[in-house]
Amino acid sequence: GQQVMQIPQYQHVQEGEDFTTYCNSSTTLSNIQWYKQRPGGHPVFLIQLVKSGEVKKQKRLTFQFGEAKKNSSLHITATQTTDVGTYFCAGQAGTALIFGKGTTLSVSS
Amino acid sequence: SAVISQKPSRDICQRGTSLTIQCQVDSQVTMMFWYRQQPGQSLTLIATANQGSEATYESGFVIDKFPISRPNLTFSTLTVSNMSPEDSSIYLCSVAGTAFKETQYFGPGTRLLVL
Repeated sequence: GQQVMQIPQYQHVQEGEDFTTYCNSSTTLSNIQWYKQRPGGHPVFLIQLVKSGEVKKQKRLTFQFGEAKKNSSLHITATQTTDVGTYFCAGQAGTALIFGKGTTLSVSS
Repeated sequence: SAVISQKPSRDICQRGTSLTIQCQVDSQVTMMFWYRQQPGQSLTLIATANQGSEATYESGFVIDKFPISRPNLTFSTLTVSNMSPEDSSIYLCSVAGTAFKETQYFGPGTRLLVL
């Protein structure tokens, strides 16, 4: 079945360092979505990418969707302690979202 | 975005019993989904709740274990039947469609512990 792989599983950075998580799908996606889950919380929608090669920015966060619509990345510039949490990518093919295993980011000040 | 509530927010249950989780949305939505998130793990789709018809279950999940109802466009229930400790998890409903297109918005989740 369709799989969405996400790496790394964990990442620890010093505050101010950059962070990137990568997502790869075994099949072509109609869109990819990114969610953030704070410890003890529920997933919160960040962004959706639809077009091949699309790049979107939200302040210090940059999201990319690959040309083949099978991979994506989330890059955070100059991390802050508020960025702590688990970042999930979720690929959509049909009505179902297939979630990656997530990358848990910890930030020390 | 939609305002989604779930009841109960958490529960501790004995093995062999059943628990029904409710999901209520403040506006009509096309799609409602039920996910399970085991501790420290990703989200796994259990089923898509279809209004007025049987839910569509993902591989590994069956109606006898996870019966789902969706009587209208704003409400759904998930029952976890004949529970065992392996069912201890967070159960999340999510919604999509209508104003939200394909983006999914999640409820706060129900934290279930089975002893």
